[in-house]
Amino acid sequence: AQKITQTQPGMFVQEKEAVTLDCTYDTSDQSYGLFWYKQPSSGEMIFLIYQGSYDEQNATEGRYSLNFQKARKSANLVISASQLGDSAMYFCAMREGEYTGNQFYFGTGTSLTVIP
Amino acid sequence: GAGVSQTPSNKVTEKGKYVELRCDPISGHTALYWYRQSLGQGPEFLIYFQGTGAADDSGLPNDRFFAVRPEGSVSTLKIQRTERGDSAVYLCASSQIIAGGSYNEQFFGPGTRLTVL
Repeated sequence: AQKITQTQPGMFVQEKEAVTLDCTYDTSDQSYGLFWYKQPSSGEMIFLIYQGSYDEQNATEGRYSLNFQKARKSANLVISASQLGDSAMYFCAMREGEYTGNQFYFGTGTSLTVIP
Repeated sequence: GAGVSQTPSNKVTEKGKYVELRCDPISGHTALYWYRQSLGQGPEFLIYFQGTGAADDSGLPNDRFFAVRPEGSVSTLKIQRTERGDSAVYLCASSQIIAGGSYNEQFFGPGTRLTVL
């Protein structure tokens, strides 16, 4: 089974609107971390936001917030006030286990296009 | 400060040839990861180093793939007898594992695009 599932291959959003990118995960570990990365056309992966499995509050970083629903095993990324520079691929990733050096499992990504 | 660097940025080779891909992590980062990203896919884990030793090489697809990190800094991913299916972007990431750190994000390099003809 896939550890990370991103069901939206492509999304469009109007500039200044908010958009939600979906991510569900599969793990039997009690301790895990969830990450979102942005990959512009230049190819480099840029870290956006992190949510720990024990964190009770949803993570926020500027215009990014993570809607963490543990029982549903979902970790959706919300981008508020979209900007043209937000057009990129977005990847959800998970690290399992207590050890913070473990590998990441990535989803297949969502391509976001911001329309002027 | 300098980020993770990877050389070459592009590599074109012929089927059956040997290639080496280099990764220079962020100074002081003890953990180094290699991932492979095929077209339209997310990165897939290959191998992880903690210091000089490979802590987890479970993602290497077969024995044609090998990686080293002899001095605990720069790492080289080596691919023997390349096949057309090896064509992908090879990403390197590094992380500073802090005991008790909450998440220790991975910092990625720009990748090496490998094309096997």
